[in-house]
Amino acid sequence: SDVLTQPPSVSVAPGQTARIPCEGKRIGIKTVQWYQQKPGQAPVEVISYDSDRPSGIPQRFSGSTSGNTATLTISRVEAGDEADYYCQIWDSDSDHLVVFGGGTKLTVL
Amino acid sequence: QVTLRESGPALVKPTQTLTLTCTFSGFSLTTTEMCVSWIRQPPGKALEWLARIDWDEDKFYSKFLRTRLTISKDTSKNQVVLTLTNVDPGDTATYYCARTSLATAGPNMDVWGSGTTVIVSS
Repeated sequence: SDVLTQPPSVSVAPGQTARIPCEGKRIGIKTVQWYQQKPGQAPVEVISYDSDRPSGIPQRFSGSTSGNTATLTISRVEAGDEADYYCQIWDSDSDHLVVFGGGTKLTVL
Repeated sequence: QVTLRESGPALVKPTQTLTLTCTFSGFSLTTTEMCVSWIRQPPGKALEWLARIDWDEDKFYSKFLRTRLTISKDTSKNQVVLTLTNVDPGDTATYYCARTSLATAGPNMDVWGSGTTVIVSS
């Protein structure tokens, strides 16, 4: 299947840890990227290749995979982390080549 | 510093052809393993990948739109052009281009432009 499934929303209090899951049958076979998108702005890559953090991304952001699920973890959540988060894979074996998850709205309470 | 900027019409009529240009700096599409992708996002909806062009002229298209999309590059101008034929209101979206680098682990869209919004309406 080419589908990546994310929960529509996740809520967390400031200072707590947010975990955003992304489920898909090709996870674990293909690497996962994560993007943060704040309202009215372009997406920004926060995790590449499952768990690499691009330059300039705070260490509070981390990525992991287990089985068919990838997880974006944001530690010590701040108000500025409130955004939509998308997972994405490249799958050369798929008709779709590139698949995005439906996105998760992170709300900081 | 890598930057990308999308440009094109803000409003197009149904059945017309949409032409978008991505002008970039800080990298070259003559460099091995360098590519540019196009992605769009309808209002209030998720991201949708459209196409990619590679340094070696390889081209890849979304399965859903491949009959309507054409991607091309002009390396002398550092530009990538995307055309979408026979547009309809469902093509209303913000269109982004993104630098895409290839690695052993796969492609990576690491830097995105700020996007250009296109409305399809008569």
